[in-house]
Amino acid sequence: DAKTTQPNSMESNEEEPVHLPCNHSTISGTDYIHWYRQLPSQGPEYVIHGLTSNVNNRMASLAIAEDRKSSTLILHRATLRDAAVYYCILNYGGSQGNLIFGKGTKLSVKP
Amino acid sequence: ETGVTQSPTHLIKTRGQQVTLRCSSQSGHNTVSWYQQALGQGPQFIFQYYREEENGRGNFPPRFSGLQFPNYSSELNVNALELDDSALYLCASSLLGQNYGYTFGSGTRLTVV
Repeated sequence: DAKTTQPNSMESNEEEPVHLPCNHSTISGTDYIHWYRQLPSQGPEYVIHGLTSNVNNRMASLAIAEDRKSSTLILHRATLRDAAVYYCILNYGGSQGNLIFGKGTKLSVKP
Repeated sequence: ETGVTQSPTHLIKTRGQQVTLRCSSQSGHNTVSWYQQALGQGPQFIFQYYREEENGRGNFPPRFSGLQFPNYSSELNVNALELDDSALYLCASSLLGQNYGYTFGSGTRLTVV
């Protein structure tokens, strides 16, 4: 199974940028990198995904290393509503819907 | 977008009983997946349905079964409930393929007593 490694927790101040790292050294060429977040008492929420190039959307940016063995989710200005558990997941060919969630990174945002 | 809706939101069952959880997929999506999330853990994949057939399955026993209907709604059935089945059950819909994100519902909290 394609695996990712994330820090257990991170802290940020409100309105500051947050960089959430993820290592995926066993990634293969066709694996997509997906990020989801889960707020308390809610289902996971899709944030962003990419294959090789950096990606931007209204929620965040995804920076992918050139060798694709790591990636960083960037929240440009953290708000209190961004406090959640963030999951970095490899969506691999033949996964047939099996997103392998690890423990994720619990992000705390201080006012 | 209609999102993914699940029902009921909470449920209490007795050990040995059977339960059916329901999910309505996001409009336009053709796959539905089910996940089990124990307290303090990440979600674990149960199975995925595509074109009304099981398309992939995680490490769950056969007493976990499902259905997908032509309108892409879905059911998760669990027979012979055990105490360890107490968890949040999440439904997620998507288009088939790796290059699509999944839309999750808010889940059904099942408690087995």
